[in-house]
Amino acid sequence: NAGVTQTPKFRILKIGQSMTLQCAQDMNHNYMYWYRQDPGMGLKLIYYSVGAGITDKGEVPNGYNVSRSTTEDFPLRLELAAPSQTSVYFCASRPQGGVSAKNIQYFGAGTRLSVL
Amino acid sequence: TQLLEQSPQFLSIQEGENLTVYCNSSSVFSSLQWYRQEPGEGPVLLVTVVTGGEVKKLKRLTFQFGDARKDSSLHITAAQPGDTGLYLCAGSTDSWGKFQFGAGTQVVVTP
Repeated sequence: NAGVTQTPKFRILKIGQSMTLQCAQDMNHNYMYWYRQDPGMGLKLIYYSVGAGITDKGEVPNGYNVSRSTTEDFPLRLELAAPSQTSVYFCASRPQGGVSAKNIQYFGAGTRLSVL
Repeated sequence: TQLLEQSPQFLSIQEGENLTVYCNSSSVFSSLQWYRQEPGEGPVLLVTVVTGGEVKKLKRLTFQFGDARKDSSLHITAAQPGDTGLYLCAGSTDSWGKFQFGAGTQVVVTP
């Protein structure tokens, strides 16, 4: 009953450090997404993937990289952390196919990142 | 640029009252979703609407998609403290499920 699992839950980075935010789903979903949520700004799409080996940029990809070597995992990499990357990061997944009432997107609990 | 404008930003009401949250855009969406998010958790999907003029009901929640598929509303009847949360609308214009999110409406229902 895991769904979408994100690790770590919290992290503090120094400027210039790097880290990888992990995301794993056990629902065999092809589509996966990374969002960031800033206070009062809603969620913004960073990167998405429609299957293993296929990734594409979202609305705010600068400063991030992703890979999708397996269906289950979709890690997000920050190479040179900057204060502007302080945010809450959410990973989501959903089954392949068009958006419909039955094609539900599931979110993880988030990773809270502070860059100081 | 925020494509989806939600109003109001904050709403505080007493238990038993009704409330309506609005989601407006100048863009046409192929689908629109409403989520509720509680502190420290990810958003949870409430409903997906795909047809202009569509109305969906989920117990005390009524969702409406505008005829032109540019706007939507969420109406809660007889609100309860358990309805407290951040309500987010999200619109998509493609089949990959890339959604634009509104900034959210924080709803607080006090007993």
